[in-house]
Amino acid sequence: DTEVTQTPKHLVMGMTNKKSLKCEQHMGHRAMYWYKQKAKKPPELMFVYSYEKLSINESVPSRFSPECPNSSLLNLHLHALQPEDSALYLCASSQGTGNGEKLFFGSGTQLSVL
Amino acid sequence: GQSLEQPSEVTAVEGAIVQINCTYQTSGFYGLSWYQQHDGGAPTFLSYNGLDGLEETGRFSSFLSRSDSYGYLLLQELQMKDSASYFCAAPGGATNKLIFGTGTLLAVQP
Repeated sequence: DTEVTQTPKHLVMGMTNKKSLKCEQHMGHRAMYWYKQKAKKPPELMFVYSYEKLSINESVPSRFSPECPNSSLLNLHLHALQPEDSALYLCASSQGTGNGEKLFFGSGTQLSVL
Repeated sequence: GQSLEQPSEVTAVEGAIVQINCTYQTSGFYGLSWYQQHDGGAPTFLSYNGLDGLEETGRFSSFLSRSDSYGYLLLQELQMKDSASYFCAAPGGATNKLIFGTGTLLAVQP
């Protein structure tokens, strides 16, 4: 299994809603990532988990809350989002935790905040 | 600051060869990667250059010159399915994790 699976594929939510994005990999990878991608822009790093511990938070607003329940799962909890948070949210994993690791991406969750 | 600059768009015809350039500024350097992303899809890894020179993987090749802070992706025998966005990437920023170039949208025409 060389896939990173993300659910849901599409999500529409209001600014007062609470929702969660889910990501799963069964490759035994030790690092997992959340990226945010706006249309026609490159992915931007949000969070990195190494060995199930949060190692990097790229100054992301607290309305985004990551969680890593185990080595295969990564969640992103969303609360009180703003319309400008509408984007494609990509999960990725890598075998190691070093710099420049090859990333395996999921297909993403297309989020629309109304 | 950290930046990887690419041309925004490139157009080529089927069967042709196209080169996508990437110039970078990063505080340290651990190699240059290339990713392909079809519209609405996941970025997928194409190649990695840790040292200067050319790396070949089938129809795709990637080149790196660290002295020039420059690399490129070469796509040969273009096919319609190669129409996608292409990103160079390198570790950078305060966390030294992978950051992506500005991206190049490749359009392959019949």
